[in-house]
Amino acid sequence: KQEVTQIPAALSVPEGENLVLNCSFTDSAIYNLQWFRQDPGKGLTSLLLIQSSQREQTSGRLNASLDKSSGRSTLYIAASQPGDSATYLCAVSPPQAGTALIFGKGTTLSVSS
Amino acid sequence: NAGVTQTPKFQVLKTGQSMTLQCAQDMNHEYMSWYRQDPGMGLRLIHYSVGAGITDQGEVPNGYNVSRSTTEDFPLRLLSAAPSQTSVYFCASYGAAALDYGYTFGSGTRLTVV
Repeated sequence: KQEVTQIPAALSVPEGENLVLNCSFTDSAIYNLQWFRQDPGKGLTSLLLIQSSQREQTSGRLNASLDKSSGRSTLYIAASQPGDSATYLCAVSPPQAGTALIFGKGTTLSVSS
Repeated sequence: NAGVTQTPKFQVLKTGQSMTLQCAQDMNHEYMSWYRQDPGMGLRLIHYSVGAGITDQGEVPNGYNVSRSTTEDFPLRLLSAAPSQTSVYFCASYGAAALDYGYTFGSGTRLTVV
C-alpha cells in the first residue's frame, strides 16, 4: 500500500530564507507527483506537477524535484515571504492514471516578517 | 472557465438525515474523485470515477454512495448522516489531456453532523 510522508509537519522561518520541504513515498511505481498549497479554510491550489519521467519542475520561486528510485521529492522555496505561509501537501498518483491521489499530511509553513 | 464547482459550501445535518453533495466540472475531464479532510488524518479518498458509468471505492467509502451518469457531474450521497462524517469534502477532476496541470480541486464543502 502506497504511503506518503511529509517532514517536517511544521516549519517556522524568517522572511527571506530559502527552505526545503520533504516528501517521501513507499512505492516508486507512480504516474506523477503533485505539490499543492492550502490556505486555512480554503481549497487546494496546484503548485507543481512532476511526471514520473521528469526530474524537476520550476515555477517562479518554487522548484520541485523527484527521485523515483529513492521515493523522494523536495519542494524548494526561494526567498520566502509572509504570503508563502500555508500548508503544503504532496500527493502521488498510482500508475493507473486518474485513479486518484494519495496524500501526505502536509507541512505547515509560517514565514515571519 | 469555472473549473470544479462544489455545492453547497456549508451544510449542517442532523444525525440520520441524507443529503447529496454536488460536484460539477466543465473541463471535459474523464477522471473525478471525492476526498474528505480531517484534522490529523489528511485527505482520504472516498470514491472515484474513471469515466461516465464507472465508479470505484477508495480508502473510506462506507456511508457514501456515488454515481456518474454524465462526464460533468459526480455527486456524493450521504445515506444516513453520522457525526463521524463531520468533515470537509473536496471533489477533484483530472483529464488525460491535462498532463501539464494535474488534478484540479473544488473549493470544498464543510459538513457538520449534529
